[in-house]
Amino acid sequence: EPEVTQTPSHQVTQMGQEVILRCVPISNHLYFYWYRQILGQKVEFLVSFYNNEISEKSEIFDDQFSVERPDGSNFTLKIRSTKLEDSAMYFCASSLRTINEKLFFGSGTQLSVL
Amino acid sequence: LAKTTQPISMDSYEGQEVNITCSHNNIATNDYITWYQQFPSQGPRFIIQGYKTKVTNEVASLFIPADRKSSTLSLPRVSLSDTAVYYCLVGGVNTNAGKSTFGDGTTLTVKP
Repeated sequence: EPEVTQTPSHQVTQMGQEVILRCVPISNHLYFYWYRQILGQKVEFLVSFYNNEISEKSEIFDDQFSVERPDGSNFTLKIRSTKLEDSAMYFCASSLRTINEKLFFGSGTQLSVL
Repeated sequence: LAKTTQPISMDSYEGQEVNITCSHNNIATNDYITWYQQFPSQGPRFIIQGYKTKVTNEVASLFIPADRKSSTLSLPRVSLSDTAVYYCLVGGVNTNAGKSTFGDGTTLTVKP
């Protein structure tokens, strides 16, 4: 089965630093997403991306966050100035379509902000 | 987005059939029901999706009654490796699939 790949698997950073989380969605998929999961809590939607622009975002996705598809294969999430509360597992997902479509998730990047 | 309610946890033994029920009283006409499985430190994995009646695939069955206000995920003959969190999501034709809300999920523990 095709996979969504995420790098790095673990990222440790100091508060206030910028981090970029990377994802390679499944090659023929058109819709891309970022989620996060704080330890012991729910999987939370952050943002969806289609046709090189954000299609929806949650209230969590504030000005500190940005997403980009810099080339034909990568999809990145940037956090400009990390806070302690940004520590979480970040999951990238992709889907072929958007409506009632199954999502393929990556294994996640565990971000620890110290 | 329809709110879903599931049991927080369930225990079972290897070889048994497990049924996890999800309530979604406010489901809309166009909403589909999707179930995901999540192992610790991994992303959720799609299990099954349905709209009404019964859907079956190689890993599970999904039963949806006529009023569609609930659904039941059925896992036949579970093994230890089925220990995971199971999420029921409800979303419709006008809902961005990615924005479907993951609830608290049901933690299934399969014992030997």
